[in-house]
Amino acid sequence: QITLKESGPTLVKPTQTLTLTCTFSGFSLSTSGVGVGWIRQPPKKALEWLALVYWDDDKRYSPSLKSRLTITKDTSKNQVVLTMTNVDPVDTGTYFCARYYYESSGLDALDIWGQGTMVTVSS
Amino acid sequence: SSELTQDPAVSVALGQTVRITCQGDSLRRYYASWYQQKPGQAPVLVIYYKNNRPSEIPDRFSGSNSGNTASLTITGAQAEDEADYYCNSRDSSAKYWVFGGGTKLTVL
Repeated sequence: QITLKESGPTLVKPTQTLTLTCTFSGFSLSTSGVGVGWIRQPPKKALEWLALVYWDDDKRYSPSLKSRLTITKDTSKNQVVLTMTNVDPVDTGTYFCARYYYESSGLDALDIWGQGTMVTVSS
Repeated sequence: SSELTQDPAVSVALGQTVRITCQGDSLRRYYASWYQQKPGQAPVLVIYYKNNRPSEIPDRFSGSNSGNTASLTITGAQAEDEADYYCNSRDSSAKYWVFGGGTKLTVL
């Protein structure tokens, strides 16, 4: 069974750095074709893709947030960490992590998602 | 281009067929994935690649692609299909991914 779970602070002050951890089980980030991505969703708004780290440590970021985001993986701990610097109230929302999986059958998607964690940015 | 465009809202009568579309330049090169999200829940992958479904997704869900448009079709919509639907694909440069703005499906 594959599971992912997000953890981190529920409340962050403006200008601070937000650190979120995705802890997963049931797969390995050292397996070819696997990655873990982060996606967020402001209240009552659309999903927004943030970042993704692949099994080979290739990292991709949303161009609009690239200067503020860092994604890292710890394969031994089955964790992926996302840091976002200089947060603002517009960064308030639910943050999801999800497994990315590529296989030759055509699967090239975020196939399993965590339940999400709500983060509020407020002074 | 980094945009995927969806209609904000679509409605369908119970048991009828509905198509939800997603437009973007990157879809000429890459396939879209489709996600269903119900209130308070995480998104669930329903369609990927040309027209592939995860095993747990009912076969009333199907996908298709033409030019710069990807489509999700629900044949015989059920009350439980009422949800937000999002498309997702790589950007044309393949350097990152993007989501569409989402379509709210109402089953009447």
